[in-house]
Amino acid sequence: GQQLNQSPQSMFIQEGEDVSMNCTSSSIFNTWLWYKQDPGEGPVLLIALYKAGELTSNGRLTAQFGITRKDSFLNISASIPSDVGIYFCAGQLGGGSEKLVFGKGTKLTVNP
Amino acid sequence: DAGVTQSPTHLIKTRGQQVTLRCSPKSGHDTVSWYQQALGQGPQFIFQYYEEEERQRGNFPDRFSGHQFPNYSSELNVNALLLGDSALYLCASSLARGGYTFGSGTRLTVV
Repeated sequence: GQQLNQSPQSMFIQEGEDVSMNCTSSSIFNTWLWYKQDPGEGPVLLIALYKAGELTSNGRLTAQFGITRKDSFLNISASIPSDVGIYFCAGQLGGGSEKLVFGKGTKLTVNP
Repeated sequence: DAGVTQSPTHLIKTRGQQVTLRCSPKSGHDTVSWYQQALGQGPQFIFQYYEEEERQRGNFPDRFSGHQFPNYSSELNVNALLLGDSALYLCASSLARGGYTFGSGTRLTVV
């Protein structure tokens, strides 16, 4: 089945630093999504990408849909303490397949 | 505008028992998906319901079943619980093939 390889597994950074994480897959996805999950909560959508090569920003967050459609990255600029949480990438095959395939997550810790 | 509502928030069951989890989708959404999230893992797709029928299913045994009601709410049933079924169960709703909104989940512990 489809799998997403998300890296790094965890990151420890200082407040103000920039962060980068990525996802790769052996399968082609038609949609890439990035979610953030806080403890005891469900994932919250940060950015959705629908076209190969697409670069989309949401405030301090920027994500790109790889041109091969097999990868995506998420950058967070000037991190702040509330950025702490687990970030997940998710891919959607499309073409009638509606399920989301998730990576294992990147746990981000921001030291003030 | 209420988002996705799941109940209960936590429950503890014994091996072999059966459990029913409930989900009310976000207002205006007609599609409900269920995911299982084990500790330290990403969510895994169980199945999706649309127009009261199972539209797509992931790699989960038949012990996992579901239902969608005319008001679009949904239930997830798990029979013959195993210790390995302990997880956070997430419900996500969407409008047809639109973006997903997740609930906060039900934490199931099987002892």
